[in-house]
Amino acid sequence: EVLLVESGGGLVKPGGSLRLSCAASGLAFRSSSMNWVRQAPGKGLEWVSSISSSSSYIYYADSVKGRFTISRDNANQSVFLQMNSLRGEDTAVYYCASGDYDDPFDHWGQGALVTVSS
Amino acid sequence: DIVMTQSPATLSVSPGERVTLSCRASQSVSSNLAWYQQKPGQAPRLLIYDASTRATGVPARFSGGGSGTEFTLTISSLQPDDFAVYSCQQYKNWPPWTFGHGTKVELK
Repeated sequence: EVLLVESGGGLVKPGGSLRLSCAASGLAFRSSSMNWVRQAPGKGLEWVSSISSSSSYIYYADSVKGRFTISRDNANQSVFLQMNSLRGEDTAVYYCASGDYDDPFDHWGQGALVTVSS
Repeated sequence: DIVMTQSPATLSVSPGERVTLSCRASQSVSSNLAWYQQKPGQAPRLLIYDASTRATGVPARFSGGGSGTEFTLTISSLQPDDFAVYSCQQYKNWPPWTFGHGTKVELK
């Protein structure tokens, strides 16, 4: 069974930083691209960032480019999202999801809530 | 960027009814289209990929159709467990990978 478990969410002030982690098990992590998708309260799903299996290819949504950094540790089957210069509009549940670039996002974590508020 | 538009935003239905949801892409995505089901407080669950292939464990009452810019998700006989939000996603032209805003299927 594939399990993705996010951690690191919480309340942060505007301009602050937070680092999300996603621990994976039950999938061929070293050969899987990984993705972060967020969902603001009452809104739809928004893709945030993706990283290829070897970290060679990394992509960001325009809304987070220059503020967020995705990375991964294949030895420990984890993917991370470093979020800096946080804004109110970054408030959302952040999901990590597996799925290669030409494939759907087939497995999802339970999500981590990030609230940006003073 | 490809814009995904779903209709209707909300669908009020009774158990046992046949339900058809629509998803339109602003340009062709071939068959690189997925449908997700999301219940309150839960993560999205992959239902359909490649426009018409059911994911593992998805009941046969769910079917997907279409290609290019027009897609449908049909639930042949709605079950109580099917009340949820359904979102489509294209994975043809990326980045970005884009989602529709979702259709909420609620109890009539």
